[in-house]
Amino acid sequence: GESVGLHLPTLSVQEGDNSIINCAYSNSASDYFIWYKQESGKGPQFIIDIRSNMDKRQGQRVTVLLNKTVKHLSLQIAATQPGDSAVYFCAENMGSSNTGKLIFGQGTTLQVKP
Amino acid sequence: DGGITQSPKYLFRKEGQNVTLSCEQNLNHDAMYWYRQDPGQGLRLIYYSQIVNDFQKGDIAEGYSVSREKKESFPLTVTSAQKNPTAFYLCASSIYVDTEAFFGQGTRLTVV
Repeated sequence: GESVGLHLPTLSVQEGDNSIINCAYSNSASDYFIWYKQESGKGPQFIIDIRSNMDKRQGQRVTVLLNKTVKHLSLQIAATQPGDSAVYFCAENMGSSNTGKLIFGQGTTLQVKP
Repeated sequence: DGGITQSPKYLFRKEGQNVTLSCEQNLNHDAMYWYRQDPGQGLRLIYYSQIVNDFQKGDIAEGYSVSREKKESFPLTVTSAQKNPTAFYLCASSIYVDTEAFFGQGTRLTVV
């Protein structure tokens, strides 16, 4: 079946450095991808999204890159801050052309060292 | 304030009892979702609804039931048939099925 997976369960970075969190997806029919941030005991928060007709999208301090050839998604966080410490999930959606299910990966824990 | 509200935040249930988790949204979203999260794990889809009076099973629907009688509400019932119900339950909604989903703050269910 379809799956979304993350390469590394934990990423530790120094405050001020850039962070890169990776995600692999297996369903070539997926056309919409979302990154979420989840702090302990809370619901996931939307960070940024990208559709399959794009390969890059930028937000405030965050950039998402999509490589459809190798089915890979990444989230780049510039100048990582202690408040960025959380679990990050990527999610894929096959859109209205399919069932509209939003499927999540296992998550990467980002630890920011002061 | 517009948003998605889950209640209660913490819930304790005795084995063999059914329990219903509430999810309400005032965002006028068509689609709503229920996910289960176990410690250190990702989110697994239980049920989702694209429109009122319609819903579909997700990947782990066994032992759960839902209803979607109103656009704003998507309650989840955890039945006694669910073998391991202790988990963190998250409800979400989105304008359409292929737009970003917004999450509630979750309900932590513990079976005692």
